[in-house]
Amino acid sequence: ELKVEQNPLFLSMQEGKNYTIYCNYSTTSDRLYWYRQDPGKSLESLFVLLSNGAVKQEGRLMASLDTKARLSTLHITAAVHDLSATYFCAPRTIYPSGTYKYIFGTGTRLKVLA
Amino acid sequence: DAGITQSPRHKVTETGTPVTLRCHQTENHRYMYWYRQDPGHGLRLIHYSYGVKDTDKGEVSDGYSVSRSKTEDFLLTLESATSSQTSVYFCAIRYRGGDGYTFGSGTRLTVV
Repeated sequence: ELKVEQNPLFLSMQEGKNYTIYCNYSTTSDRLYWYRQDPGKSLESLFVLLSNGAVKQEGRLMASLDTKARLSTLHITAAVHDLSATYFCAPRTIYPSGTYKYIFGTGTRLKVLA
Repeated sequence: DAGITQSPRHKVTETGTPVTLRCHQTENHRYMYWYRQDPGHGLRLIHYSYGVKDTDKGEVSDGYSVSRSKTEDFLLTLESATSSQTSVYFCAIRYRGGDGYTFGSGTRLTVV
């Protein structure tokens, strides 16, 4: 059974600082997603990482995937207040029925302080 | 916009009563999912569907049932609601062969 751990669970950081969120998962997975959730809102897809060594960047966020280490990172560069949200990673696995499923981490709640 | 709608958005119900949540999609997607979100647990899969009348259990299916009699609607039923089922419920769809999910806006359910 695929288990997913995110670290840290809570992150309070100053504007302008850099930080990395880590997502470790327990079994083989061929792709991984990062989602963002604003308070009281739904989840919004940020990145999909499709293979080992994949790197995606958008704005101040950069995500990477190391399938051998079963690790994905979400790096925040020069944080701004608008990045305050909860971030989830979700590696993909497959049910016996052949349906894909995504197992979500517990989330990292990011608060960027002015 | 994938055209996914959840109803109701908010509901308060009493312990022991049946509750049905509805997920409606307008774009004929085959795969639909029900998740619950609780603090400290992230999102956990309750049930999913891979076609009309084709459903299966997820990780936390006890106390829940689902039905999918037509492509566009996926219903989640709590036969006899309990306080432990107080949660935010999200429906999601996935394009066949596609990547990731598109989520509905969520239903906040409170069981008192």
